[in-house]
Amino acid sequence: EAGVAQSPRYKIIEKRQSVAFWCNPISGHATLYWYQQILGQGPKLLIQFQNNGVVDDSQLPKDRFSAERLKGVDSTLKIQPAKLEDSAVYLCASSLSTGTGPWKQYFGPGTRLTVT
Amino acid sequence: SQQGEEDPQALSIQEGENATMNCSYKTSINNLQWYRQNSGRGLVHLILIRSNEREKHSGRLRVTLDTSKKSSSLLITASRAADTASYFCATDRRLSNFGNEKLTFGTGTRLTIIP
Repeated sequence: EAGVAQSPRYKIIEKRQSVAFWCNPISGHATLYWYQQILGQGPKLLIQFQNNGVVDDSQLPKDRFSAERLKGVDSTLKIQPAKLEDSAVYLCASSLSTGTGPWKQYFGPGTRLTVT
Repeated sequence: SQQGEEDPQALSIQEGENATMNCSYKTSINNLQWYRQNSGRGLVHLILIRSNEREKHSGRLRVTLDTSKKSSSLLITASRAADTASYFCATDRRLSNFGNEKLTFGTGTRLTIIP
């Protein structure tokens, strides 16, 4: 089966610019996650969708970050305006999450963002 | 300190040796998962152990869970060069198996296998 797709793979922007990342989860997976992974650290959950509804966005910096999942499939994560500390790898993951869990998560290759 | 801390932070061993990594956490969990991340790539799920399980095996991997000590260990036997990667434990703190899981990842152990 096809894995989680993400684009772009790399992005370099200047601070105060905006950027958007795209994710296509595994077909049929109900739950989609966006994580931020700063160099040398583990992934930190930014937002979690169940179908097209937000389940958890408690760690999303809502003053600059936004995300949507249209029709419960693809998702985009946007940063506007970007700060230097946003430099990180942004990982998208999905899980089946139907019925009784627990469910493992499948990760995409990530988008490496560098803010200069 | 954060939920899920791996120990050691870095580990180098000779190919063929066994590698052991530990994970400690602070709050009650529903399950604990181990993931591997190769350089510049996304994470790959390795193994999941539920809170009522004490040990689990998958190929060359062996995971133990001690909920009384809030700790887990990952053992990789007969290591190979391809095992070189970062390994993360992730805890799921849901109260039951229903509802969406929410994983909290640790800081990872960087494992290097020397050929």
